[in-house]
Amino acid sequence: GAGVSQTPSNKVTEKGKYVELRCDPISGHTALYWYRQSLGQGPEFLIYFQGTGAADDSGLPNDRFFAVRPEGSVSTLKIQRTERGDSAVYLCASSLTRVTEAFFGQGTRLTVV
Amino acid sequence: SQQGEEDPQALSIQEGENATMNCSYKTSINNLQWYRQNSGRGLVHLILIRSNEREKHSGRLRVTLDTSKKSSSLLITASRAADTASYFCATDEGNTGKLIFGQGTTLQVKP
Repeated sequence: GAGVSQTPSNKVTEKGKYVELRCDPISGHTALYWYRQSLGQGPEFLIYFQGTGAADDSGLPNDRFFAVRPEGSVSTLKIQRTERGDSAVYLCASSLTRVTEAFFGQGTRLTVV
Repeated sequence: SQQGEEDPQALSIQEGENATMNCSYKTSINNLQWYRQNSGRGLVHLILIRSNEREKHSGRLRVTLDTSKKSSSLLITASRAADTASYFCATDEGNTGKLIFGQGTTLQVKP
């Protein structure tokens, strides 16, 4: 596709439920990033993939959060036992290599009620 | 973790004036990038400056980088109401490839 695509654009879920957020990066981009952004804050780093492997997952807040990128393209961010504090916009970005500009999707707004 | 810190947090100017935003960071970097975010969600890449560059221009944007002070500035000249947005700097922390953002500067340009 022409840009980074994230689905769904909005997700409302009940506390305790499991959610999956999907990111389709730009074709050929080897680096993929997940961020979380709360209102009035900058994007908070969660995890960074280089190819299929997680190069750095130090931003994942706890073991309820997990992300995969099995074929080095599409990535899924998985959140188990969601909590109200997980409510935020989850942003995905991809870049051609790890030292070039990153292109962002429009994000998934997650609301945990 | 947050790598960059933008200053000021908020800036309000009249159309036609110049806007300057600053960013400071903590570790060595390969490059520093500036992004823009309108209310809504997507971040748009504006400009990338490499660690061996000191200044870069793109249209009405001018970015400087001082690696000795670990700081960068973004200048928007002849601002327009459409420039109203939040602006973020981002760096690859410690040359790891991990892209870390600051808290941003909210710019309001009054017509």
